[in-house]
Amino acid sequence: SQQGEEDPQALSIQEGENATMNCSYKTSINNLQWYRQNSGRGLVHLILIRSNEREKHSGRLRVTLDTSKKSSSLLITASRAADTASYFCATAQPTYSGAGSYQLTFGKGTKLSVIP
Amino acid sequence: DAGVIQSPRHEVTEMGQEVTLRCKPISGHDYLFWYRQTMMRGLELLIYFNNNVPIDDSGMPEDRFSAKMPNASFSTLKIQPSEPRDSAVYFCASSYLAGGLNEQFFGPGTRLTVL
Repeated sequence: SQQGEEDPQALSIQEGENATMNCSYKTSINNLQWYRQNSGRGLVHLILIRSNEREKHSGRLRVTLDTSKKSSSLLITASRAADTASYFCATAQPTYSGAGSYQLTFGKGTKLSVIP
Repeated sequence: DAGVIQSPRHEVTEMGQEVTLRCKPISGHDYLFWYRQTMMRGLELLIYFNNNVPIDDSGMPEDRFSAKMPNASFSTLKIQPSEPRDSAVYFCASSYLAGGLNEQFFGPGTRLTVL
């Protein structure tokens, strides 16, 4: 089953507007990561937020994490047409393979369309 | 660095044929991951390696799938025999810390179509 679930599944906005995507998860995590995937391409890492952090910024990106609600949000400010892509959250949780072993579990993504 | 390299980028084959996907991780990365992406199931981890050793293959769907990493710079994912439901995009990714503890670098993927 999916650990991270993004919401909404699809989002369409005008260039210059802000885009907010949410992610909910079920079990405790070590960290939560956001990735972007352009059509026909591989995933590109955007930002990582650890379980003891509440907010992180990177350029036009702002990520929040609420471990009590098991949720995270990704905010893209002043969106551009080039931000059109699918955005995935991925949660890092321990595997059954042994101590110190973690794996990433990805949600199904939010498809963002930024209209010029 | 050239990033994670995958080949082929596209593969079209007929049911029953053997398919081999290849991956070259980023130099210095000790962890290598194979994922499969479909519309229905999203991105699923199939198997991952640490220092060329398979650590967790619980995501491999069935015995028709096998993966190897003979050295630090090369891995293969093999499907034999292939079936139409194997059609998907297969990604290889690598990282220098234990999977999940830091970012993973993804290759461009191999789009597999099994007719």
